[in-house]
Amino acid sequence: DQQVKQNSPSLSVQEGRISILNCDYTNSMFDYFLWYKKYPAEGPTFLISISSIKDKNEDGRFTVFLNKSAKHLSLHIVPSQPGDSAVYFCATGLIQGAQKLVFGQGTRLTINP
Amino acid sequence: DGGITQSPKYLFRKEGQNVTLSCEQNLNHDAMYWYRQDPGQGLRLIYYSQIVNDFQKGDIAEGYSVSREKKESFPLTVTSAQKNPTAFYLCASSKQGLGNEKLFFGSGTQLSVL
Repeated sequence: DQQVKQNSPSLSVQEGRISILNCDYTNSMFDYFLWYKKYPAEGPTFLISISSIKDKNEDGRFTVFLNKSAKHLSLHIVPSQPGDSAVYFCATGLIQGAQKLVFGQGTRLTINP
Repeated sequence: DGGITQSPKYLFRKEGQNVTLSCEQNLNHDAMYWYRQDPGQGLRLIYYSQIVNDFQKGDIAEGYSVSREKKESFPLTVTSAQKNPTAFYLCASSKQGLGNEKLFFGSGTQLSVL
């Protein structure tokens, strides 16, 4: 039973355009949401996070949007750059208690020159 | 430079063999984790430890064992009871193991069965 779903296994975007990656979750108790970026043969690195008290968080070219009623999370990258080509994982968890993140399956983003 | 070191990068296991994956961190983090990644699937939690000499099972602990004798080290043993061990294994750490902390990951170990 997949609690966190990234329904697009891959996404291809032209350099300079906007990349939008999506994530759906089922457990309304989740109150902390993160995006991680992973290059081949490397571990994921933290990209951006948002707590459930907000609906938007921005960090440079990266913006995360949270729609709690729809249980939907999205990551916008604008403008997209070739170095953004990677696998992106969304993850959700609970702020209180032990760290036990639940990860989505990942979306492979390819930025075309 | 602080970070997490996993070794080896590639590991091969024969049938019936136990193998141990190493994970060392010099970030002075209390909490450490082991995740497994299979193609087309998200990272799944195997075991985690919030403090030395204590660890908890994650979602897929069967066929695996861990120890946490030192703060810096959290080795994972894949036992012969794990029938499908081929996967990419990731070790991670966080400062105190609280829910709103970032995870820092190692570069992973690819385990394959001969």
